[in-house]
Amino acid sequence: SAVISQKPSRDICQRGTSLTIQCQVDSQVTMMFWYRQQPGQSLTLIATANQGSEATYESGFVIDKFPISRPNLTFSTLTVSNMSPEDSSIYLCSVDRSTEAFFGQGTRLTVV
Amino acid sequence: DAKTTQPPSMDCAEGRAANLPCNHSTISGNEYVYWYRQIHSQGPQYIIHGLKNNETNEMASLIITEDRKSSTLILPHATLRDTAVYYCIVRVEAWAAGNKLTFGGGTRVLVKP
Repeated sequence: SAVISQKPSRDICQRGTSLTIQCQVDSQVTMMFWYRQQPGQSLTLIATANQGSEATYESGFVIDKFPISRPNLTFSTLTVSNMSPEDSSIYLCSVDRSTEAFFGQGTRLTVV
Repeated sequence: DAKTTQPPSMDCAEGRAANLPCNHSTISGNEYVYWYRQIHSQGPQYIIHGLKNNETNEMASLIITEDRKSSTLILPHATLRDTAVYYCIVRVEAWAAGNKLTFGGGTRVLVKP
């Protein structure tokens, strides 16, 4: 299994501000993945974070809005920039280990 | 990755078997069937996966039809803690494509006493 720690677990933020979410894995992994889960919805992949290169974003997500850092093989951050109420969601990071995907507990973000 | 179709919700009685269907009629030969579940306010949890043979582990059994166009996840003795959203996903195995998982709507399972 993989142990994934996300911080913060939840936050309430003012619109127009930015929040950086941290994801720490207990061992080195090549790729880390960031998902968004809007209220009552399923998970949607935001981007794939590779160490040493720029993140790869899925359709509908852009680097200016969701900048990602991947400074080493056990850590990544996702920033939600210039937030609006529509950004209120759960944000989750995920990694592969063998044939399984493991997820952090998520960051519940509320934008007011 | 192929798309899947699941019923949006189902109820089952505590202690009884829960059978969760999934259709994946466009599955490719190298795609596996994966099941995850998400208990309220938690990240998704891996349950089981298979290619074409039936699989069983300590959590569940996975029955895949011979043509691989559908499958059933079986929770043999459902408990209240099994109340969750269950996602059926088809994808190539992890190391081939990273864990780029495409989540559908899932089935919201409510286990009742």
